[in-house]
Amino acid sequence: EVQLVDSGGGVVRPGESLRVSCVASGFTFDDYAMSWVRQAPGKGPEWVSTLNWNGDVADYADFVKGRFTISRDNAKNSLYLQMNSLRPEDTALYYCTRVYAKAYDYWGQGSLVTVSS
Amino acid sequence: EIVLTQSPVTLSLSPGERATLSCRASQSVSSNFLAWYQQKPGQAPRLLIYGASSRPTGIPDRFRGSGSGTDFTLTITRVEPEDFAVYYCQRYGRSVFTFGPGTKVDIK
Repeated sequence: EVQLVDSGGGVVRPGESLRVSCVASGFTFDDYAMSWVRQAPGKGPEWVSTLNWNGDVADYADFVKGRFTISRDNAKNSLYLQMNSLRPEDTALYYCTRVYAKAYDYWGQGSLVTVSS
Repeated sequence: EIVLTQSPVTLSLSPGERATLSCRASQSVSSNFLAWYQQKPGQAPRLLIYGASSRPTGIPDRFRGSGSGTDFTLTITRVEPEDFAVYYCQRYGRSVFTFGPGTKVDIK
């Protein structure tokens, strides 16, 4: 059974940093690109970043470029999102997702990140 | 930047009725990289359709995707009680994934 387990969320102040993590199981992790998708309270999903299977190619939404860094450790079946210079508008549930046919076929349960002074 | 527009915003139906949801892109979606998701309160989105018309394993065949270019449709042939939810379309192009604003299907 495919599982994605998100962790690392929390409450931080504007300008601070946080790292969210995802551990995958039930499939060959390095066969897939992975993405982070976020969803602010009461809003729709929003793509944040995608990393290819071996970590060589990363893409970012414009609103996080230069602030967030996606990475993966295939030996640990893990995906990470390092978030720096956090803003109140970054408050959201952050989902780890598996990319399949340019869509997201599996989602984690989400990690809640709250940015507030 | 490609923008996705979904209509209607809300669709009120009775169980057993047919639901037709629209997703329109501001530019053509290449290779039909268009997907549909269902989201219920407190849950992560669930992939219903990818490649405009393909269903993942386990998705009931009452969910049908169609369309190409800039106009796509999700049809639920007979709405079941568990289908009342919010539906999002999503496209991929030039290394960017974009979601639509969603259509809420609620009980009439």
